[in-house]
Amino acid sequence: TQLLEQSPQFLSIQEGENLTVYCNSSSVFSSLQWYRQEPGEGPVLLVTVVTGGEVKKLKRLTFQFGDARKDSSLHITAAQPGDTGLYLCAGAASGYSTLTFGKGTMLLVSP
Amino acid sequence: KAGVTQTPRYLIKTRGQQVTLSCSPISGHRSVSWYQQTPGQGLQFLFEYFSETQRNKGNFPGRFSGRQFSNSRSEMNVSTLELGDSALYLCASSLHTAAEAFFGQGTRLTVV
Repeated sequence: TQLLEQSPQFLSIQEGENLTVYCNSSSVFSSLQWYRQEPGEGPVLLVTVVTGGEVKKLKRLTFQFGDARKDSSLHITAAQPGDTGLYLCAGAASGYSTLTFGKGTMLLVSP
Repeated sequence: KAGVTQTPRYLIKTRGQQVTLSCSPISGHRSVSWYQQTPGQGLQFLFEYFSETQRNKGNFPGRFSGRQFSNSRSEMNVSTLELGDSALYLCASSLHTAAEAFFGQGTRLTVV
């Protein structure tokens, strides 16, 4: 069974601070996705990474896929209250396998 | 392009009843997956359908079932509801595989 562990589980910061969220596994993934979910809503896809060592930037968000494709990180620069939400990483072991989700990191950004 | 649509958004059912949830995927998407989300367990995979066939199945009891129609719309059914079935049920669609999935808003099921 493939597991994805996210850390930290909860993060409360002030507006303007930087933060990093981690997603780790002992298994190799062919692709990894990051989602953000707001209360009572479905997760929204932020990015997909597929190549070991890949770095993708989405405005103030930077996503990195580990060289061995077992881990990933999400870095947010100058966090804003609108970044508040549950950040989920999800990996697929192969092209036709299902997604395995981490339990998420709950981020609260206060003004 | 319309997103994934789930109906209903909210449901309250009594223990022992059965319930059917509906999901309309993004147009052109053939893979539909269902997930159960609870505070303690996070998102857990229920099953995936592709071209009307169940392609993958999670570790849930047989009370949970699903199907997919020729237009890719999908339904999931839970029979003999238990209190522990209270959760947010999420449907996700993707072009060919379960990866890079786009989620609906979910159906909040409460069993009393």
